[in-house]
Amino acid sequence: SSELTQDPAVSVALGQTVRITCQGDSLKTYHAGWYQQKPGQAPILVIYGENDRPSGIPVRFSGSGLGNTASLIITGAQAEDEADYYCNSRDSSGDHVVFGGGTKLTVL
Amino acid sequence: QVQLQESGPGLVKPSETLSLTCTVSDGSISSSGDYWGWIRQPPGKGLEWIGSIYYSGRTFYNPSLKSRVSISVDKSKNQFSLRLSAMTAADTAEYFCATTSLAPGYFQYWGPGTQVIVSS
Repeated sequence: SSELTQDPAVSVALGQTVRITCQGDSLKTYHAGWYQQKPGQAPILVIYGENDRPSGIPVRFSGSGLGNTASLIITGAQAEDEADYYCNSRDSSGDHVVFGGGTKLTVL
Repeated sequence: QVQLQESGPGLVKPSETLSLTCTVSDGSISSSGDYWGWIRQPPGKGLEWIGSIYYSGRTFYNPSLKSRVSISVDKSKNQFSLRLSAMTAADTAEYFCATTSLAPGYFQYWGPGTQVIVSS
């Protein structure tokens, strides 16, 4: 399968920890990338690889993976973390890229 | 830091071919990474990978678009381009170009996006 599945919406109380998940067969082979997208803006890569953060991404963002499931973890969610989050990976062939359907994160 | 900027027509007629260009600035396209891609996002919907091209010129396309898409790179102009033929209303979307110096598939740098509407 070349699909990645995400929950459509997740909410978290301010300052609490939230896990956003992504499921797909390709994740057994390739680590997920995670992107944050706010309205009217381009996505921003926040996690890639096993658990790497590009320069400038706060340490409260982390990633993990087990089997066919990848997770983005935000430890101590802030109001500015409210956004849509997308996972992606290469597909099982390695040649193509797939994106999950996205998760809308609400910070209460 | 690598800067990307998409350019092209904002309005395309049905059945026509869309041509978009992504210009790389603040660095040579050759040093911005060796993997470039196009991604689109229909209004109110999620991200869809269109295709990617390696520095070598090797291309990979979304199977659902493969018959209509072509991506090329012009290193002399610091640009890479997208052509999508036989446009329909379903192709109306924000189109993003992106690149990476990380592993292929992880899009590290993105352009701001350009809106394309398909309408007669």
